[in-house]
Amino acid sequence: NAGVMQNPRHLVRRRGQEARLRCSPMKGHSHVYWYRQLPEEGLKFMVYLQKENIIDESGMPKERFSAEFPKEGPSILRIQQVVRGDSAAYFCASSLTSSYNEQFFGPGTRLTVL
Amino acid sequence: QKEVEQNSGPLSVPEGAIASLNCTYSDRGSQSFFWYRQYSGKSPELIMFIYSNGDKEDGRFTAQLNKASQYVSLLIRDSQPSDSATYLCAVNTFMNTGFQKLVFGTGTRLLVSP
Repeated sequence: NAGVMQNPRHLVRRRGQEARLRCSPMKGHSHVYWYRQLPEEGLKFMVYLQKENIIDESGMPKERFSAEFPKEGPSILRIQQVVRGDSAAYFCASSLTSSYNEQFFGPGTRLTVL
Repeated sequence: QKEVEQNSGPLSVPEGAIASLNCTYSDRGSQSFFWYRQYSGKSPELIMFIYSNGDKEDGRFTAQLNKASQYVSLLIRDSQPSDSATYLCAVNTFMNTGFQKLVFGTGTRLLVSP
């Protein structure tokens, strides 16, 4: 029974490059949440998606960041023209419904921007 | 921005003692409260959730909620060195879209010494 999968687990990018983070939810889950955790800080909500729809992106920076959850394939968090301040752990969580007690986290992607 | 506050610690307790972790929140409309455990370099793991005032027990863990005081706590009885981790408090908050998002505290680091 595979849990939430994220890849890559570690990603190194130089300033100005693009970062693509992938998240495959648990089997049967159609609700995906992305969070960012900066060093010494708590988890910050970024975006909530259902299949083919962005439900709430109130936590996403207005520029350079985008997310999608296509009908087929994983959810993608895309960061364009990365800057050093984007270095963080990015976690994806999924749920069967929108109930929070059912939200399961993936192992995260550690992004380092040089 | 609604806030969830936790003492960052570290909270040091000897093995076998009771560890008490506290959390306050500012949004009086919050209805769901969660405790996650996060080991260093790992993803958050849900250990307890509570919706009603009072206590909720699960094994060595007890969650306590006082909505009037806007206060949530987690008690860990018979603390073990393996309980050493950062404990994140999370509270739901309603957005204008009707979506409920989780707001996390920055976590309390617990150290259990043998």
